[in-house]
Amino acid sequence: NAGVTQTPKFRILKIGQSMTLQCTQDMNHNYMYWYRQDPGMGLKLIYYSVGAGITDKGEVPNGYNVSRSTTEDFPLRLELAAPSQTSVYFCASSPQGAGVYEQYFGPGTRLTVT
Amino acid sequence: DAKTTQPPSMDCAEGRAANLPCNHSTISGNEYVYWYRQIHSQGPQYIIHGLKNNETNEMASLIITEDRKSSTLILPHATLRDTAVYYCIVGRGGGSNYKLTFGKGTLLTVNP
Repeated sequence: NAGVTQTPKFRILKIGQSMTLQCTQDMNHNYMYWYRQDPGMGLKLIYYSVGAGITDKGEVPNGYNVSRSTTEDFPLRLELAAPSQTSVYFCASSPQGAGVYEQYFGPGTRLTVT
Repeated sequence: DAKTTQPPSMDCAEGRAANLPCNHSTISGNEYVYWYRQIHSQGPQYIIHGLKNNETNEMASLIITEDRKSSTLILPHATLRDTAVYYCIVGRGGGSNYKLTFGKGTLLTVNP
């Protein structure tokens, strides 16, 4: 299994541009998550999904959108990028039920907005 | 969810046991203690979790005090590859609460 994969690994955006961060997992996990990590800080939850067609906001959702049309994919959309969105973005997944806290993370996408 | 307190940094000699403490004095009865680590520039990695009994797996041991207000993660024979930020997280297992709250963690540096 590849686990959780994310693309791209790195990206530089200009202010006002948009992009989609891709996340795919091959573990058949129902739950998926997007986090961001600013330098020297812990992770903050942006959005999460408990299954295909179901998404909900996390701690810092403003400026982002998500969709979950399949179990495997959970893309994160940035509209009108701002410098405050410069961060490392991690996607994660977890199995349903008691194992939901055993989250498996992807390698991250480093985004710079200038 | 209950908050946790961890020292910002610790050092350990290679081959020795690394004992990482965590205080969670406001933990409630149905909340678990979870440990993750993050090696530089990588995504966090799940290590272990427990409710009130001590737990051990191939990576580490988790010791939870009887009053559950603190815990210790033990890496029995630390290697250089164990240098990472270690996060102690408290949260309810299963059900509808599945959101991890990451603090700043403890930077463990394993020295040769």
